[in-house]
Amino acid sequence: DAGVTQSPTHLIKTRGQQVTLRCSPKSGHDTVSWYQQALGQGPQFIFQYYEEEERQRGNFPDRFSGHQFPNYSSELNVNALLLGDSALYLCASSYDSRPDTQYFGPGTRLTVL
Amino acid sequence: AQTVTQSQPEMSVQEAETVTLSCTYDTSESDYYLFWYKQPPSRQMILVIRQEAYKQQNATENRFSVNFQKAAKSFSLKISDSQLGDAAMYFCALDMRFGAGTRLTVKP
Repeated sequence: DAGVTQSPTHLIKTRGQQVTLRCSPKSGHDTVSWYQQALGQGPQFIFQYYEEEERQRGNFPDRFSGHQFPNYSSELNVNALLLGDSALYLCASSYDSRPDTQYFGPGTRLTVL
Repeated sequence: AQTVTQSQPEMSVQEAETVTLSCTYDTSESDYYLFWYKQPPSRQMILVIRQEAYKQQNATENRFSVNFQKAAKSFSLKISDSQLGDAAMYFCALDMRFGAGTRLTVKP
């Protein structure tokens, strides 16, 4: 049984560009949450997708957007990249939006130059 | 607004000894989950232990146990018989809000 998978592992972009990160949830999970983890800090909740809709959102600008597909996989899009967007982006999946069932993926390291 | 505070940026413990990591939180909700996650240098976030707020009994998972004080909004993690593999960043979380983390070093 595959756990949560994320792609790509690493990504380098320049300021102003756009990026798309992908996440496949653990088998049996229908909810995907995205987090941003800056170096040396704890993860910050970006948003959560359930039933293909954004159900909850943290304190992130509209440059951060997402999508969930019918197979429950998800994408995180970031537009107009800033240097401060450099971070590890973690995807977590869960069942029925329940935080007690949450499993994390290995993350995507985004570097913005 | 929910907040999670970990006041110990770094902790150190001797192998086989016991260490306690502190966490305080604030929320207006009456029903919530609390978690301790471990993030080794390989960066995969792993759930260590979870506590449902309406359960008064403290959660235990092998060498890991918590001291949950709901009225004081405190949720500490005790690691007994510390092992070298316990070295990692430990994050306390309230539902989906995380603290800043505590880096645990285990000395042989």
